[in-house]
Amino acid sequence: DQQVKQNSPSLSVQEGRISILNCDYTNSMFDYFLWYKKYPAEGPTFLISISSIKDKNEDGRFTVFLNKSAKHLSLHIVPSQPGDSAVYFCAASAGDMRFGAGTRLTVKP
Amino acid sequence: NAGVTQTPKFRVLKTGQSMTLLCAQDMNHEYMYWYRQDPGMGLRLIHYSVGEGTTAKGEVPDGYNVSRLKKQNFLLGLESAAPSQTSVYFCASSYSGPAYEQYFGPGTRLTVT
Repeated sequence: DQQVKQNSPSLSVQEGRISILNCDYTNSMFDYFLWYKKYPAEGPTFLISISSIKDKNEDGRFTVFLNKSAKHLSLHIVPSQPGDSAVYFCAASAGDMRFGAGTRLTVKP
Repeated sequence: NAGVTQTPKFRVLKTGQSMTLLCAQDMNHEYMYWYRQDPGMGLRLIHYSVGEGTTAKGEVPDGYNVSRLKKQNFLLGLESAAPSQTSVYFCASSYSGPAYEQYFGPGTRLTVT
């Protein structure tokens, strides 16, 4: 059973605009959420995280929002840059880590 | 500081053959993990280790064995490879437990024919 779902396999946005990547989860015991970014032929790298006691966390151009009642989190990238083109994985933890299938973001110049 | 390295990068096996994937980290992390990534699915945890000499099963452990004889190394073994084990394998390590930021290696692409 996939407890963490990223329903959009791909997303394309124009450079300078906002990218919004979404993630839904089913396990209400998850208490820590992370986003990882992955370039081709490389391993995932940590991007940003949020604890379940918060509803927003910001780091530069990246902001993660958590809506616990909807079991939904999102990653906002503003402004989007071509170098942001990658696969983004959402992950959630209740002790061990569960990953979503990923969303491929393409930022067009 | 190399971070997390994996050997080999690519491998092709015939069904029934065995092999060992090696993961090494130089960050003095206690925790190490092996994941597999398949199309349309996220990273799935195979086995993990919370310290030298310890191992534990993850979400998809069947068909794999692991060993952590040294703190910096975590080995993943396939005793009798099957086509269903064709995947990209990632090793990761972390200072804190599995819930927190993990550092990943570059991956090993394994094909079983």
